[in-house]
Amino acid sequence: DAGVIQSPRHEVTEMGQEVTLRCKPISGHDYLFWYRQTMMRGLELLIYFNNNVPIDDSGMPEDRFSAKMPNASFSTLKIQPSEPRDSAVYFCASRITSGIGDEQFFGPGTRLTVL
Amino acid sequence: AQSVTQLDSQVPVFEEAPVELRCNYSSSVSVYLFWYVQYPNQGLQLLLKYLSGSTLVKGINGFEAEFNKSQTSFHLRKPSVHISDTAEYFCAVSAHNNAGNMLTFGGGTRLMVKP
Repeated sequence: DAGVIQSPRHEVTEMGQEVTLRCKPISGHDYLFWYRQTMMRGLELLIYFNNNVPIDDSGMPEDRFSAKMPNASFSTLKIQPSEPRDSAVYFCASRITSGIGDEQFFGPGTRLTVL
Repeated sequence: AQSVTQLDSQVPVFEEAPVELRCNYSSSVSVYLFWYVQYPNQGLQLLLKYLSGSTLVKGINGFEAEFNKSQTSFHLRKPSVHISDTAEYFCAVSAHNNAGNMLTFGGGTRLMVKP
């Protein structure tokens, strides 16, 4: 298996532009997570899905952020409009429900820079 | 809510020396405990986890951790480190009532192994 795939790996954009980050989870996994990593705040859970349905989005910072999972093999995290403080590494992770506390498999991340 | 404190942001150590990375947590409910490792420019991968049972858990790459409920700690140890262990290590917790889905991470400890 190729693991969790994220695209793009790097994104540089200007303030005010729309940014879309993409994630393909591991085939057969039924949970998908979006995280953000910054120096100031560390690694934060933004939102997670189970069977394509958003379960908890309490970590989404504000209305400028939205996430969708139209099918089991694809998810997007969109920021509109983007701001410099959104600069971070965004990780997608997936897991399969086979027991409690099972491993979340992380993608390589998308490094976003908003100028 | 849960919180995780990793007391050392950086730990320099010489190759073949032992190392301990400290993790303390706070929670009003029972938790599961995890250690993840992040190599440069990669996503996180699971080192080990404590769900229940024996308080000493062994993980990959020769790492082990001990759960101490009275001290609310879950320190990570390795008796002899290698250059390849240079990475950032994250301690994480998840409340029992969400089956390990919503991970709260500590700020990370950068382990720097010197020849």
